Amino acid sequence: DTGVSQDPRHKITKRGQNVTFRCDPISEHNRLYWYRQTLGQGPEFLTYFQNEAQLEKSRLLSDRFSAERPKGSFSTLEIQHTEQGDSAMYLCASSPGGRGHYYNEQFFGPGTRLTVL
Amino acid sequence: AQSVTQLGSHVSVSEGALVLLRCNYSSSVPPYLFWYVQYPNQGLQLLLKYTSAATLVKGINGFEAEFKKSETSFHLTKPSAHMSDAAEYFCAALNYGGATNKLIFGTGTLLAVQP
Repeated sequence: DTGVSQDPRHKITKRGQNVTFRCDPISEHNRLYWYRQTLGQGPEFLTYFQNEAQLEKSRLLSDRFSAERPKGSFSTLEIQHTEQGDSAMYLCASSPGGRGHYYNEQFFGPGTRLTVL
Repeated sequence: AQSVTQLGSHVSVSEGALVLLRCNYSSSVPPYLFWYVQYPNQGLQLLLKYTSAATLVKGINGFEAEFKKSETSFHLTKPSAHMSDAAEYFCAALNYGGATNKLIFGTGTLLAVQP
């Protein structure tokens, strides 16, 4: 069990640039989640996938944000035209899915810390 | 919709003392509740979860939490603090139903353990 991995761990970018983050879930976990955590706050839900289908998106996920999980395995989160307010820790989590498993533990990755200058 | 409130953004205890971190929730459906711990620059690790079985839930590292429906609380305790317990702790409720499946987190409590 290698756990959830995220790449990169840190990203510094200039305002207006595009960035892309990758998340590799625990193998055979068919649910994948993205959360955002700002300093002094708890994580906030952004979106989640059941296999390759994106089932829910938060209102926090503006048009500049897009997430994909093309083959139901890894996922990418892209932010276009970054703003300073996008600076945060972006956390990915995965969990087993299926009927009756909605309260299964979500396993979190180490996060990608984004700094927008 | 669920919400989670953690009272006390900072808690300081002496090594060996009781740890009590407070969490209250609001939910219109049977809640599923979790406590996570986060060490600096790391992701979140599950301590324990309540899924409507026993109201007293035991977790890792000697932590436990008691679900009290009448008080809408799910406080986290540990009888004797250890220096390694210093971290940030998050209480979370699962918002579920239909296509929804997401954790709603409190704002966290930073636990300091004094020698």
